[in-house]
Amino acid sequence: ETGVTQTPRHLVMGMTNKKSLKCEQHLGHNAMYWYKQSAKKPLELMFVYNFKEQTENNSVPSRFSPECPNSSHLFLHLHTLQPEDSALYLCASSQDLGTGMTNEQFFGPGTRLTVL
Amino acid sequence: AQSVTQLGSHVSVSEGALVLLRCNYSSSVPPYLFWYVQYPNQGLQLLLKYTSAATLVKGINGFEAEFKKSETSFHLTKPSAHMSDAAEYFCAVSEYTGNQFYFGTGTSLTVIP
Repeated sequence: ETGVTQTPRHLVMGMTNKKSLKCEQHLGHNAMYWYKQSAKKPLELMFVYNFKEQTENNSVPSRFSPECPNSSHLFLHLHTLQPEDSALYLCASSQDLGTGMTNEQFFGPGTRLTVL
Repeated sequence: AQSVTQLGSHVSVSEGALVLLRCNYSSSVPPYLFWYVQYPNQGLQLLLKYTSAATLVKGINGFEAEFKKSETSFHLTKPSAHMSDAAEYFCAVSEYTGNQFYFGTGTSLTVIP
């Protein structure tokens, strides 16, 4: 596997289900991100992890719970979601250069989530 | 916070015609600027980036973009559109500190045969 992979690619769940999205990066990067992409809206940054530590949480509802066990893996745990949470969830990674310099983000193919 | 404006949510061009996708950002200092492309059912792929070196940046697939500080713009161009260029294009900006990207709402490019 190369780049950033995400599983599953498609997920349909009911509002009472609990599921998890998985992201794995094979690029040796130290920063990982979760984004939500909804139609007609800019990409919404949800969470940022640097060196496995969460550095950003953009007012995301608690029904979304991230987990970063190591710098290569990122999970998004979902429970009691709402229909408006249906979207494409994108994972990305980058190499944080640590001196205020930003490097480009590499994206996975996304998980298309439908909440019934 | 930064903001990014992409004028035109949909752009149609004929095959072989010039492609121009517009992006303006708000920033008091030159940020880092990026263009990404998204094909159906795929993630975003980096086309090119500006990081305070040359103002004219060349990317993949024949695309290029010019950073114009006076206009706070970073428009994407390609001299001759190809059918395979049909996709969604996103402009993004990041600040010097931190690693948060700010994305525009995207422009959907249609190429007419």
